[in-house]
Amino acid sequence: GEDVEQSLFLSVREGDSSVINCTYTDSSSTYLYWYKQEPGAGLQLLTYIFSNMDMKQDQRLTVLLNKKDKHLSLRIADTQTGDSAIYFCAAASGGSYIPTFGRGTSLIVHP
Amino acid sequence: KAGVTQTPRYLIKTRGQQVTLSCSPISGHRSVSWYQQTPGQGLQFLFEYFSETQRNKGNFPGRFSGRQFSNSRSEMNVSTLELGDSALYLCASSRGGPEVGTDTQYFGPGTRLTVL
Repeated sequence: GEDVEQSLFLSVREGDSSVINCTYTDSSSTYLYWYKQEPGAGLQLLTYIFSNMDMKQDQRLTVLLNKKDKHLSLRIADTQTGDSAIYFCAAASGGSYIPTFGRGTSLIVHP
Repeated sequence: KAGVTQTPRYLIKTRGQQVTLSCSPISGHRSVSWYQQTPGQGLQFLFEYFSETQRNKGNFPGRFSGRQFSNSRSEMNVSTLELGDSALYLCASSRGGPEVGTDTQYFGPGTRLTVL
């Protein structure tokens, strides 16, 4: 089945850009998602991208997809302390839209 | 539009007991999925219900079961609780229609279950 990998931690300075990386194994994954989880809360959908796209931009968020390498990244421009959270990458194939989640990357933003 | 709601938010049980968790999806959403989140295993898919039928199932023992009502509300039941069942249980709803991929899941705040 699908396996989604992410680094566990990322620390950045406020105002810098953050880049969170993710790799997946199933080449038939068609839909890729980024979710954010703040302490004590559920998951909040940030953005998603289809496999026929290379890039998607949404305000401070930029998603890049390298389908050949099965690599997905989320760039957060001008990172703020309020961006501190756990970010989950998830992938779903066309056969089932039930996504497989990575373990999450804990983003720490310090002044 | 109101989001996904889960009750209760916190629950403490002892080993051997059973527990029922509830999830109310976003209005108009017909699919409800359940996930277990633990520090050790991460986010794992339990099962999905659509129009009162279980449509997808993860790799969990039969102690974990669920159902969905005609108003799309869903319940999850865990029988004979074990210490390892302590986790955050998340519910997610989606339209559940044929527009696969755009049928995005929206999550509730979760129920924190502690088994003593």
